[in-house]
Amino acid sequence: GIQVEQSPPDLILQEGANSTLRCNFSDSVNNLQWFHQNPWGQLINLFYIPSGTKQNGRLSATTVATERYSLLYISSSQTTDSGVYFCAVERAGGGADGLTFGKGTHLIIQP
Amino acid sequence: DAGVIQSPRHEVTEMGQEVTLRCKPISGHNSLFWYRQTMMRGLELLIYFNNNVPIDDSGMPEDRFSAKMPNASFSTLKIQPSEPRDSAVYFCASTAGYEQYFGPGTRLTVT
Repeated sequence: GIQVEQSPPDLILQEGANSTLRCNFSDSVNNLQWFHQNPWGQLINLFYIPSGTKQNGRLSATTVATERYSLLYISSSQTTDSGVYFCAVERAGGGADGLTFGKGTHLIIQP
Repeated sequence: DAGVIQSPRHEVTEMGQEVTLRCKPISGHNSLFWYRQTMMRGLELLIYFNNNVPIDDSGMPEDRFSAKMPNASFSTLKIQPSEPRDSAVYFCASTAGYEQYFGPGTRLTVT
C-alpha cells in the first residue's frame, strides 16, 4: 500500500513562531487531506489539497503532486494550535477508497 | 448540517461482551468509512461502504468484527466478543466525493 511519512514527529515552539510540517507519500494520489486532532480527540479538517496551494487564515498548504510531498504552514502560532497534525492520502486510480494516515506531527505551542 | 454523528461517545464494557457502535453520515454522502485509532497502530481503515454496499473490509482485524449499512443514513460496527486489545477510538467518516469528514469518535474501553 501507499506509504505516508510526516516530519518532524514532534515540534515545540513559542507563541508567535512560524512552522512548516512536511508530508511525503510514495505514490500518486487523488486525495490528500490535512487534519488537526485537538486535545479532545476530534479530527478537524484543515485542507483538502491533492495538488496546488490553499490558504485559510494563518494556515496554508502546498502539495507538489509530481514530487509527492505536501507542506503545511502555520504562521504566528497560538496555544490553541497545539495538538497532532495528520496528513492522509488516497492512492490514485479509483474512487474514494479510504485514507492512509501518517503518524502525525505533535505540535506544542508554549505561551 | 449536523456533521457525522456517532454514538455512544464513550463505551466501557467487560471482555466477552458484545459492543455496537453507531454512525449517521452527513446527508447526501454516498461513501462511509470506519477507522480505528490506537497508540500502537495510529489511524487505520477498517472497512468502507459505497452506496450502502461494503467495498473493502480487508482492514477488519478479525471475524469478531462486523459492519453493516442497512440504509444511506445509518451504519453499525459490531464487536462480538470484545477483548481488551479492542480498546481504541473508533471513527466514522463520510464523503460525497473525495474529501472525508469525520465524526467525533467513540472511545471504547474493554476491561
